[in-house]
Amino acid sequence: EAGVAQSPRYKIIEKRQSVAFWCNPISGHATLYWYQQILGQGPKLLIQFQNNGVVDDSQLPKDRFSAERLKGVDSTLKIQPAKLEDSAVYLCASSLDQYNEQFFGPGTRLTVL
Amino acid sequence: GNSVTQMEGPVTLSEEAFLTINCTYTATGYPSLFWYVQYPGEGLQLLLKATKADDKGSNKGFEATYRKETTSFHLEKGSVQVSDSAVYFCALSDFGNEKLTFGTGTRLTIIP
Repeated sequence: EAGVAQSPRYKIIEKRQSVAFWCNPISGHATLYWYQQILGQGPKLLIQFQNNGVVDDSQLPKDRFSAERLKGVDSTLKIQPAKLEDSAVYLCASSLDQYNEQFFGPGTRLTVL
Repeated sequence: GNSVTQMEGPVTLSEEAFLTINCTYTATGYPSLFWYVQYPGEGLQLLLKATKADDKGSNKGFEATYRKETTSFHLEKGSVQVSDSAVYFCALSDFGNEKLTFGTGTRLTIIP
């Protein structure tokens, strides 16, 4: 069974630029999560989708971050404009539903210069 | 709110040594507790979990017991191997909702 796919794996941008990350969850998984993992910290949930609807985006900095999950499958997370403090690994995870185990992708490491 | 406090690292041990990584938590209600592992270059993987007090989770020789009285979920392994070198995260989720709160992670290095 294929795992959660993410791309790109690495991205370097300058501050005030825009960036987008892509996530393809495990087939059949209704719930999708985006986490931010800053160096030396544990992952922090940014947004949770159930199919194509948002369940929880309370930790998403909505002035610069946006996410969508069109058709309830793939998802993109965008940052516009990026700040230095956005440098982190962005993890995508999926689960059958919100009560089941989450499976994580390898992450996208973002460096903002 | 919920929080997880993890033993600070990094931790370096010799092969076949005994491992303990401490984890304590603060939560309302009855959380489930987890240990995740992140091997170099890979995503987080669930290592073990426990869903109620006194439950013991175990996998790959690792164990952790859900201690409600001490609000702890310490990870242990009797004899570590070089292949156990990774970052270990303790986490909890609220009852009825798998939203995860993670600790800061402990980097473990095993030397031959």
